Amino acid sequence: QQQVKQSPQSLIVQKGGISIINCAYENTAFDYFPWYQQFPGKGPALLIAIRPDVSEKKEGRFTISFNKSAKQFSLHIMDSQPGDSATYFCAASRSGSARQLTFGSGTQLTVLP
Amino acid sequence: DVKVTQSSRYLVKRTGEKVFLECVQDMDHENMFWYRQDPGLGLRLIYFSYDVKMKEKGDIPEGYSVSREKKERFSLILESASTNQTSMYLCASSFPQGGDQPQHFGDGTRLSIL
Repeated sequence: QQQVKQSPQSLIVQKGGISIINCAYENTAFDYFPWYQQFPGKGPALLIAIRPDVSEKKEGRFTISFNKSAKQFSLHIMDSQPGDSATYFCAASRSGSARQLTFGSGTQLTVLP
Repeated sequence: DVKVTQSSRYLVKRTGEKVFLECVQDMDHENMFWYRQDPGLGLRLIYFSYDVKMKEKGDIPEGYSVSREKKERFSLILESASTNQTSMYLCASSFPQGGDQPQHFGDGTRLSIL
């Protein structure tokens, strides 16, 4: 049972373009939605996160848009750069003993120079 | 900087062997996690621990066990390795849930079961 569905599986964008990755969740108990970025040979690292009490969060070129009624959230990367080429994972968690994360399936982003 | 260290980057074992994957963190984190990462499936939680000697099953615990005898060390054990356990294994750690503390990941162990 995949509780967080992520699309697309892969994405190719030209330098300077906008990259958009979408996620949908099923469990309404989720209350924290982070995005992780993973470079080849490295573990994932937290990029940006949002709680459902806000509809948007922006950090530099990265923005999360959140639609609570649709149970969807997305990552927008503005002015995409070749250095942004990585695998991106959305995730969701709820209050619990260790706030364990449920991850999406990942999106491999390639930004062409 | 938080450092999560996994003992091996690559490991090759044979079917039926007992396999130990070790993870050490240096930030006094209470929570530790083991995931496996497979293409198209993302990261799936195997086991996690929120305190020494405490453990809870994640989404795919079958065929695995864990040990946490010290706060900084969390071991994943494959009791009798099988070929379907060939995967990338990632360890992570974090502070307790207050403040939505991020999980810090190691760089992974790529395990091949022959």
